[in-house]
Amino acid sequence: EDQVTQSPEALRLQEGESSSLNCSYTVSGLRGLFWYRQDPGKGPEFLFTLYSAGEEKEKERLKATLTKKESFLHITAPKPEDSATYLCAVRLLTSYGNNRLAFGKGNQVVVIP
Amino acid sequence: DTGVSQNPRHKITKRGQNVTFRCDPISEHNRLYWYRQTLGQGPEFLTYFQNEAQLEKSRLLSDRFSAERPKGSFSTLEIQRTEQGDSAMYLCASSSGLAEPNEQFFGPGTRLTVL
Repeated sequence: EDQVTQSPEALRLQEGESSSLNCSYTVSGLRGLFWYRQDPGKGPEFLFTLYSAGEEKEKERLKATLTKKESFLHITAPKPEDSATYLCAVRLLTSYGNNRLAFGKGNQVVVIP
Repeated sequence: DTGVSQNPRHKITKRGQNVTFRCDPISEHNRLYWYRQTLGQGPEFLTYFQNEAQLEKSRLLSDRFSAERPKGSFSTLEIQRTEQGDSAMYLCASSSGLAEPNEQFFGPGTRLTVL
């Protein structure tokens, strides 16, 4: 069965303390891995799409990388405004062109000033 | 604002009542998805529309749930005879269905509380 596992579940960082979040997946034929940011009480906000092993994407203090079995979201010198839950999802192509997403439980990040 | 919108943002209801949520996708997007998210979990797929056709439903979607997308524009999700286990955030997402990367963009969600 297709699965997405994120670790650690929760992470507390001091401002400026860089760290990495992990997303491991087991899917038959990856058709895209997505990272979203979710603030409390809000919908997920799209961050990155990765397709193939070795691919990297960057946005401000965030950098996403992809291998054949996992993805990392690196947070460099985080600020308090980077506090959020980061969701990893893989795209599963099922019937009728349904590109539904299968999500992990998320990495809850708190950055302390 | 050209993003995905959802109404209402919050709904409190008593067990056994019917509720309906609305989603307005990004205007040029022909694909629409409904997901459900409970506390501490990632969103779970419920159903998928391509234009006005509902093409796939998750086994999570019991007979009490029905979704429509008339004219391929906005969509509604109705829950009949609500149960306390239906309490969750209901998220709508849309995508263009055209060229890659074909990201799904989410709305702010509707928080349902069943008392």
